[in-house]
Amino acid sequence: ETGVTQTPRHLVMGMTNKKSLKCEQHLGHNAMYWYKQSAKKPLELMFVYNFKEQTENNSVPSRFSPECPNSSHLFLHLHTLQPEDSALYLCASSQDIGRAAGELFFGEGSRLTVL
Amino acid sequence: AQKITQTQPGMFVQEKEAVTLDCTYDTSDQSYGLFWYKQPSSGEMIFLIYQGSYDEQNATEGRYSLNFQKARKSANLVISASQLGDSAMYFCAMREGRGGSNYKLTFGKGTLLTVNP
Repeated sequence: ETGVTQTPRHLVMGMTNKKSLKCEQHLGHNAMYWYKQSAKKPLELMFVYNFKEQTENNSVPSRFSPECPNSSHLFLHLHTLQPEDSALYLCASSQDIGRAAGELFFGEGSRLTVL
Repeated sequence: AQKITQTQPGMFVQEKEAVTLDCTYDTSDQSYGLFWYKQPSSGEMIFLIYQGSYDEQNATEGRYSLNFQKARKSANLVISASQLGDSAMYFCAMREGRGGSNYKLTFGKGTLLTVNP
């Protein structure tokens, strides 16, 4: 099993659909993150959870709704998205101790296309 | 203002040669960390190397080394003996400060490295 697993890897949805992205980490980390990667832009931090509590919402539109039921699982619920939301959504986890604290371990991403 | 600047959108290197990918950063914190990640076409971000702001030695990990020049606020990645599998996007990132229960990384826009046979 890889450290951070994301499903689905690819998703195509219409603007009126409701879908969810799932992330699972098997590393025993306490923090989990959603990042958005659009073409020709730096990675954008969306949400941070630490011990299941949301500690950061980086002014993300409400059509993106995160859920973190436990420290190992993170969801991103999608509703009435716009075409400009098409991007690669990366989940990551980290442990906030140690020399390289904050080192992010990423999943392979979910490639979202909104039609 | 950008906190992480990668000025090279694309770089080309011949197989077996060395290449340097540039990264400059902006922070007023005394304690910070610098990371380099590789992103192949598959999408996964792979951690390569880490440099702490108080580290006196430049970090090295196999063929990767980090040329850390604190006064110039630069943290360039050097890849020695390039391989075809090194072709990928490379991202520089910074973690600011210490303490707190979680850390955030700020990423640059990346450099696309192409290794030619």
